[in-house]
Amino acid sequence: GAVVSQHPSRVICKSGTSVKIECRSLDFQATTMFWYRQFPKKSLMLMATSNEGSKATYEQGVEKDKFLINHASLTLSTLTVTSAHPEDSSFYICSASSSGGRGNEQFFGPGTRLTVL
Amino acid sequence: QKEVEQNSGPLSVPEGAIASLNCTYSDRGSQSFFWYRQYSGKSPELIMSIYSNGDKEDGRFTAQLNKASQYVSLLIRDSQPSDSATYLCAVSPYNNNDMRFGAGTRLTVKP
Repeated sequence: GAVVSQHPSRVICKSGTSVKIECRSLDFQATTMFWYRQFPKKSLMLMATSNEGSKATYEQGVEKDKFLINHASLTLSTLTVTSAHPEDSSFYICSASSSGGRGNEQFFGPGTRLTVL
Repeated sequence: QKEVEQNSGPLSVPEGAIASLNCTYSDRGSQSFFWYRQYSGKSPELIMSIYSNGDKEDGRFTAQLNKASQYVSLLIRDSQPSDSATYLCAVSPYNNNDMRFGAGTRLTVKP
């Protein structure tokens, strides 16, 4: 199967700082990448969808100025949580999909656990 | 009505039994259906995809799709304790990157 990596796997930061999370597709070209957030014992919540070379599409209620997404290449997307606050503490997961193949399966990265103190 | 609905569980089955997980969806235009497994503290892992009505088997897993009833299920035969996880149903229109997830069903397989 396709491999997606995320870095860092875990980050602890102080309130007010910004945190960047990288998502890479290692063995395929990802025309579309997705960013999800998941709180403990809750379902995945889609935050935004990004296509290479274009602006991300954010889900309703997600602040685009707070969660900056850049999809500069077919193998890399980044999510920056700006001025993080304790309520931003969550499990952030990216997924990637290629334009080829039927159904556009999404392959998930291992996730980044963010704790804001 | 939620787009993708699953019974949250927990569903508990004894080791060796068949676990049956169900999912319904609201968008009749949906064409692609997926089952993901998520262990606690980990990210989802794709285990099955199905696109046509009927059954699709892969090892101990069988996905069943009934588009007329807007229903998709996952059967796990000979359940093992290592199958204990949350199973997410996901649905998307054909050739479209938009995918909607259910809230997941938590499965526990007891030794």
